[in-house]
Amino acid sequence: DIQMTQSPSSVSASVGDRVTITCRASQGISSWLAWYQQKPGKAPKLLIYAASSLQSGVPSRFSGSGSGTDFTLTISSLQPEDFATYYCQQANSFPRTFGGGTKVEIK
Amino acid sequence: QVTLKESGPVLVKPTETLTLTCTVSGFSLSNARMGVSWIRQPPGKALEWLAHIFSNDEKSYSTSLKSRLTISKDTSKSQVVLTMTNMDPVDTATYYCARGIAVAGTYWFDPWGQGTLVTVSS
Repeated sequence: DIQMTQSPSSVSASVGDRVTITCRASQGISSWLAWYQQKPGKAPKLLIYAASSLQSGVPSRFSGSGSGTDFTLTISSLQPEDFATYYCQQANSFPRTFGGGTKVEIK
Repeated sequence: QVTLKESGPVLVKPTETLTLTCTVSGFSLSNARMGVSWIRQPPGKALEWLAHIFSNDEKSYSTSLKSRLTISKDTSKSQVVLTMTNMDPVDTATYYCARGIAVAGTYWFDPWGQGTLVTVSS
């Protein structure tokens, strides 16, 4: 199975800050990576697929980059509604696997 | 509008078998670009993918849980069923189903159901 490692596990930031979350795959997965946002008590929501494609309706302050084994999710200017936990997930092969999550907290 | 809704018991006893149903609307389980996955999340922990069923009835399972899982579908009822045998307290989690949609060469999970919390306790 492909292992997905996210860092950091948590980050404290203020409204307006730029936030970067990284995800590393245990083997090359080309651009087959998704990012999800999960708010407390809610189901995850797809933000980005194919490493850098923004899902319809997702604000443009979210962006993704990377290929192979190293990927990044960037929030260019953090908004109050962005405080949540973010997960990466490889879509290169089944079984699918998720990263351990990154909690974005208010500073 | 695409929606998925999970249903099943909220409480199961250790060693029992869990059966969960995902009822979908807004798409057909026979659509070649569609499938359904089950994913779970223990309280306060990360997401764990469990199983996927494709439109052609092909299945894929978590390596670590494969011996305990069975996924199936009834296209006429728009339902996907997951069974997990020999339940244990560590299986306490919110169980989600999600549509797998083929875009740009592979399957992405969107949208997800609201989830159903299953507690394993005697």
